[in-house]
Amino acid sequence: GAVVSQHPSWVICKSGTSVKIECRSLDFQATTMFWYRQFPKQSLMLMATSNEGSKATYEQGVEKDKFLINHASLTLSTLTVTSAHPEDSSFYICSARGTGVLNQPQHFGDGTRLSIL
Amino acid sequence: KQEVTQIPAALSVPEGENLVLNCSFTDSAIYNLQWFRQDPGKGLTSLLLIQSSQREQTSGRLNASLDKSSGRSTLYIAASQPGDSATYLCAVRGQNFVFGPGTRLSVLP
Repeated sequence: GAVVSQHPSWVICKSGTSVKIECRSLDFQATTMFWYRQFPKQSLMLMATSNEGSKATYEQGVEKDKFLINHASLTLSTLTVTSAHPEDSSFYICSARGTGVLNQPQHFGDGTRLSIL
Repeated sequence: KQEVTQIPAALSVPEGENLVLNCSFTDSAIYNLQWFRQDPGKGLTSLLLIQSSQREQTSGRLNASLDKSSGRSTLYIAASQPGDSATYLCAVRGQNFVFGPGTRLSVLP
């Protein structure tokens, strides 16, 4: 089956640093990738949608200058949390959808737990 | 704007019971609906995907139904096991992919 690899799985860093999270589709080409954030005991919230080769579309309330998304190839998207602060601590999950019709399933990575000290 | 709700928020049952989880959505213009499970601190595992033209999907002890016109889906789990304990999320795919808040299931041995 389709596999999405997300790296790193856990990162702890000091306030003010930037953190990059990678999302790779290992055995399929992902035209579209999605980034979600999940706070403790809450559901996933879509942050942004990225299409290969074009700018990401951000959901309302998500700062595009703080959460930089790059989708440079059909198998890789990255999320960079710039100048991270403790309130950015969360569980970040990416998903990928293959090429073709819109009703294809999305495949999810295992998530990245980000802790900002 | 699509809104997805799930009832109950939490459920605790003894092992062996059959159970039903409910998912409701407000906008019936969807491509598909997916059920996931999420273990604590982990990512998502896709359980079942129902396309908008389908009424139900089955996988092992799991059966999911979809009534698009009424904006409802149910996930039926037969003969529950302690290993089924997790949070179950439904998500609908329309213009965006919207998740429900989840049902936290505990199956007691």
